[in-house]
Amino acid sequence: EPEVTQTPSHQVTQMGQEVILRCVPISNHLYFYWYRQILGQKVEFLVSFYNNEISEKSEIFDDQFSVERPDGSNFTLKIRSTKLEDSAMYFCASSDAVEYNEQFFGPGTRLTVL
Amino acid sequence: KNEVEQSPQNLTAQEGEFITINCSYSVGISALHWLQQHPGGGIVSLFMLSSGKKKHGRLIATINIQEKHSSLHITASHPRDSAVYICAVKGNQFYFGTGTSLTVIP
Repeated sequence: EPEVTQTPSHQVTQMGQEVILRCVPISNHLYFYWYRQILGQKVEFLVSFYNNEISEKSEIFDDQFSVERPDGSNFTLKIRSTKLEDSAMYFCASSDAVEYNEQFFGPGTRLTVL
Repeated sequence: KNEVEQSPQNLTAQEGEFITINCSYSVGISALHWLQQHPGGGIVSLFMLSSGKKKHGRLIATINIQEKHSSLHITASHPRDSAVYICAVKGNQFYFGTGTSLTVIP
């Protein structure tokens, strides 16, 4: 069964460093999403991406964040200069031809900023 | 301000019980999702609703657009149903509830 994969599963970084979180969505999906979940808190929407551009983004997704689909398979989230408060689980998801249709989630990347 | 409110926050049930989890939202939406988050953190989509009712196995989800309310029902609950159930709505962005933590005791 096709699935969304994410790498790495756990990333530890120093404050101020850049990190890139990687996702491989399901191959025939067209819409891609990033979410984050700070430990013990609710899931929060970051950004949706379609046709090589951002469709929607939340207030959290400021200039420190960027997304890219560098090739036909990967979808990345970059945080330019990490802060302590960026520590969270980051989930990638994808859906097929209808935006916000049933989404398939990856297993998440736990980001720890020291 | 919480655009999505869920109740109860925590729920413990005996195996076999009928369970209802409620979700109320305050924004205009185009769709509502029910998600399941396992103890290990993984998230699975259960339903996407824009109207009416959907059923999948022992799970039933309903939505009342006029009342801005949705319910997730689990019939004949089982310990493997123990998880956090999350309601999320698509308004001008995607808003999530804080989740309902369900524990089903054998």
